[in-house]
Amino acid sequence: DAGVIQSPRHEVTEMGQEVTLRCKLISGHNSLFWYRQTMMRGLELLIYFNNNVPIDDSGMPEDRFSAKMPNASFSTLKIQPSEPRDSAVYFCASSAGGGGYTFGSGTRLTVV
Amino acid sequence: DAKTTQPPSMDCAEGRAANLPCNHSTISGNEYVYWYRQIHSQGPQYIIHGLKNNETNEMASLIITEDRKSSTLILPHATLRDTAVYYCISTVRGSTLGRLYFGRGTQLTVWP
Repeated sequence: DAGVIQSPRHEVTEMGQEVTLRCKLISGHNSLFWYRQTMMRGLELLIYFNNNVPIDDSGMPEDRFSAKMPNASFSTLKIQPSEPRDSAVYFCASSAGGGGYTFGSGTRLTVV
Repeated sequence: DAKTTQPPSMDCAEGRAANLPCNHSTISGNEYVYWYRQIHSQGPQYIIHGLKNNETNEMASLIITEDRKSSTLILPHATLRDTAVYYCISTVRGSTLGRLYFGRGTQLTVWP
């Protein structure tokens, strides 16, 4: 199993541009989590899906952020328009619903 | 919000046991204690979890007090590669409520 796969690993974009982060879950996992990590705020849970359905998006900072899960194995996190304060490392994690989470390697986003 | 308290930093000599404490005095009866660690620039890694009994796996041991208000993660023979931030989290397991909120964790430094 290749684990949770995130792409791209690094993204540098200009303020105002749309950014799409991608995540491929581990086969058989039914829960998907998006986190953001910064030095100031640590690891923040943004949104949580269970069986492709968004359960809790209270951590999404504002309407510029949206997440989708078009199928059981894939998710996207979109920021439109992006701002410099969105610069962070974004992690996704998947779970089979009973044990631990498996995290991806993260996407380091820099908005200039 | 994180419901656990951990010391911000600890250090340990290589080859010695590292004992990382965690207070979770408000833990509910159906909440488990999970431990994760994050090595620099990587995604968090699941270590171990437990409800009330002590647990052991190939990575670590988890000792939970009888009143479940605190626990200790034990790395029996710390190596330099165990240098990481260790997170202690309490959460309900295996339900739509089972999400992980990470606090600041404990920075463990293993020195030669």
